[in-house]
Amino acid sequence: DAMVIQNPRYQVTQFGKPVTLSCSQTLNHNVMYWYQQKSSQAPKLLFHYYDKDFNNEADTPDNFQSRRPNTSFCFLDIRSPGLGDAAMYLCATSRDWAAGDYGYTFGSGTRLTVV
Amino acid sequence: AQSVTQLDSQVPVFEEAPVELRCNYSSSVSVYLFWYVQYPNQGLQLLLKYLSGSTLVKGINGFEAEFNKSQTSFHLRKPSVHISDTAEYFCAVSPPNSGNTPLVFGKGTRLSVIA
Repeated sequence: DAMVIQNPRYQVTQFGKPVTLSCSQTLNHNVMYWYQQKSSQAPKLLFHYYDKDFNNEADTPDNFQSRRPNTSFCFLDIRSPGLGDAAMYLCATSRDWAAGDYGYTFGSGTRLTVV
Repeated sequence: AQSVTQLDSQVPVFEEAPVELRCNYSSSVSVYLFWYVQYPNQGLQLLLKYLSGSTLVKGINGFEAEFNKSQTSFHLRKPSVHISDTAEYFCAVSPPNSGNTPLVFGKGTRLSVIA
């Protein structure tokens, strides 16, 4: 089945140690998104790609970076994780910008713990 | 800019009772509206969406929602809930010609079904 896959499901990292989360999709969607979701809160958009065009939200900390080497893969890099970065990280895709026509497909998320 | 308000952060309900989760939006333009469900430690799954046409939209798992333009609401309902419906529910909005504008989510409503 076509889907969005996030690895790993659970990630534990040390304070200040760089960590990379990955997302892959078999849907051939143009747009990929990274959301941060803290406990009992709405998902917060960090950035998104339309193909290779990168769009950073204004309030996304510089500590967060992203790479999209090809259509299928997108990575979230946290350069120096702090305790406040512990959260669920959600990857989503859509065929095009018009979310209504095609909808978003979400992965199962990666829960990041910082120790 | 669009915004979404979910009026209840938590809704407890007994099994087999009906439930309504409220969602109001603000927008100066027409919008697409969505409800997503998130089970513990999972990504978001689309329940239903309103794009145009009939104001009563039916989704998966027996849920339905009604778009009310005059009240700018899109409340989610189910006539008889099950234990398995216990989850977090998010309302989201997107303009039809969204350009570079991703979905905007509400803060979520935690539905707890009590046996």
